[in-house]
Amino acid sequence: TQLLEQSPQFLSIQEGENLTVYCNSSSVFSSLQWYRQEPGEGPVLLVTVVTGGEVKKLKRLTFQFGDARKDSSLHITAAQPGDTGLYLCAGEGGMRFGAGTRLTVKP
Amino acid sequence: NAGVTQTPKFQVLKTGQSMTLQCAQDMNHEYMSWYRQDPGMGLRLIHYSVGAGITDQGEVPNGYNVSRSTTEDFPLRLLSAAPSQTSVYFCASSVSGTATSLNYGYTFGSGTRLTVV
Repeated sequence: TQLLEQSPQFLSIQEGENLTVYCNSSSVFSSLQWYRQEPGEGPVLLVTVVTGGEVKKLKRLTFQFGDARKDSSLHITAAQPGDTGLYLCAGEGGMRFGAGTRLTVKP
Repeated sequence: NAGVTQTPKFQVLKTGQSMTLQCAQDMNHEYMSWYRQDPGMGLRLIHYSVGAGITDQGEVPNGYNVSRSTTEDFPLRLLSAAPSQTSVYFCASSVSGTATSLNYGYTFGSGTRLTVV
């Protein structure tokens, strides 16, 4: 079983701060996806990373896939209250999900 | 487009009752799947289908049945509900079941919150 470990589990920060959340595995993945989920809704895809070392940017969000394709990180610059949500990583084309990082950004 | 529609939004069942969670998509997606989401455990795959007439088991299939008679619909049946099946259930779809398609994202429904007492 290819497990995806996400850290931290919970993160509460003030508006304007930067943050990084992590998704790690002992197994190699051909790709990793990041989703954001808001309360009462299903996850929404943010990005897919497929190449080791790849960096993708989505406005204030920066996603990185590790060189060995076993880990990924999501960095948010100048967080805003609208970034609040559960951030999930997924591997194996969505067959495996991590437990998520619950982010709260306080105004 | 409505995307992926799940009904009902909320349901309370008594232990031993059966029910069907409905999922429909209007995007002509070949691939559909069901997940359950429990606190601290992320989403776990229950069953999936790569096209009409084809279904397969995911990580946690016990106690659930599926069928795929049309491209649009993928109902999830609980045969005899147990308290351990209390969870939030999500249906998702993707253009196809190929690795390329799955890597580029799923569309999720808004979920069904099921409580078994």
